[in-house]
Amino acid sequence: DTGVSQDPRHKITKRGQNVTFRCDPISEHNRLYWYRQTLGQGPEFLTYFQNEAQLEKSRLLSDRFSAERPKGSFSTLEIQRTEQGDSAMYLCASSPPSLGYPETQYFGPGTRLLVL
Amino acid sequence: SQQGEEDPQALSIQEGENATMNCSYKTSINNLQWYRQNSGRGLVHLILIRSNEREKHSGRLRVTLDTSKKSSSLLITASRAADTASYFCAPFNAGNMLTFGGGTRLMVKP
Repeated sequence: DTGVSQDPRHKITKRGQNVTFRCDPISEHNRLYWYRQTLGQGPEFLTYFQNEAQLEKSRLLSDRFSAERPKGSFSTLEIQRTEQGDSAMYLCASSPPSLGYPETQYFGPGTRLLVL
Repeated sequence: SQQGEEDPQALSIQEGENATMNCSYKTSINNLQWYRQNSGRGLVHLILIRSNEREKHSGRLRVTLDTSKKSSSLLITASRAADTASYFCAPFNAGNMLTFGGGTRLMVKP
């Protein structure tokens, strides 16, 4: 399967614990995005990488959230000191290089987080 | 915010009928995209329409865009039970981000 993959698919943690999610984009896609989706809502943009550069991070929900893409391939999203309100689906997407604006985004299956 | 807002929030139709979903947004866009999400799954890109296009077709899908009214519509013809899903519009601008609304939850009854 050459689609976007995310790991783990499900995560249950206790409040106050740190969690880290991984996203592997489609090979040769240089742009990578993280979104959060709560029940009944559309995805909410969090952050965006072009290669290893994080070009937009002002939408990260708080300073407890951070993301990295150290070699311009896979990315990790970390949430420190989790709170019950962090319970949501975390989606990753990637898009290929383009001369103009990035267009179609290809989404992974998501990581569903439950904070107890 | 240029977040897309879909209407209606929920739609229930019989198999074979057409389904129309509408989207409104607030600021200028480069393009507008529609995505589908089956329950608990990731999103699947359906169709992209650029700001200089007015209508686009893909199989049973027809998308229109009216930039003067800042609105778009998605028509699914001859619906099937497998079309049951949530549908999201996502305006895209030079900020390099998609902004999704709450979606339209479509139920197609066999």
